[in-house]
Amino acid sequence: GAVVSQHPSWVICKSGTSVKIECRSLDFQATTMFWYRQFPKQSLMLMATSNEGSKATYEQGVEKDKFLINHASLTLSTLTVTSAHPEDSSFYICSATRDSATNEKLFFGSGTQLSVL
Amino acid sequence: QKEVEQDPGPLSVPEGAIVSLNCTYSNSAFQYFMWYRQYSRKGPELLMYTYSSGNKEDGRFTAQVDKSSKYISLFIRDSQPSDSATYLCAMSAPGTNAGKSTFGDGTTLTVKP
Repeated sequence: GAVVSQHPSWVICKSGTSVKIECRSLDFQATTMFWYRQFPKQSLMLMATSNEGSKATYEQGVEKDKFLINHASLTLSTLTVTSAHPEDSSFYICSATRDSATNEKLFFGSGTQLSVL
Repeated sequence: QKEVEQDPGPLSVPEGAIVSLNCTYSNSAFQYFMWYRQYSRKGPELLMYTYSSGNKEDGRFTAQVDKSSKYISLFIRDSQPSDSATYLCAMSAPGTNAGKSTFGDGTTLTVKP
């Protein structure tokens, strides 16, 4: 199966700093990647759709200036949590499909646990 | 009301038991149905992927879709401690990228040796 790599797996930072999370598709090109947030014992909440070479599409209620997404290549999307605060502490997960246009299988990264002190 | 409702659990069974995990949904446009397994502090892993109604079997896992009842199930036979995880159902309509699937809240399963 396809492999999606996410890094780092966990990060602790001070309030007010920015944190960057990387998501890479290792054996396929992903024109579209997705970023989610997951709280304990809850499901995945889609934050944004990352489109290679264009601006990300954010879901309602997600602050685009807070969660900066860059998809500069067909294998890499990054999520930067800017000026992080304790309420941003969460588990962040990325995903990708081989084909952005159809109901292709979805492959997830291993997730990043962010803790903001 | 949520579009997808998943039995919340948690579920605890002895090793070797048959496990049944279930989801109901309200959107009749859903045609693709997925089950993901998520270990603690890890990303979900696709277990089963089915289209429309019917059964699909893969090893110890069987996925069932009953579109008339808007009900899907995942059965695990001969459950093992390594099956202990949270199981998420997900579904999507045709033409929707799977990344925008509607996910259930998950059922946490513990298989005791």
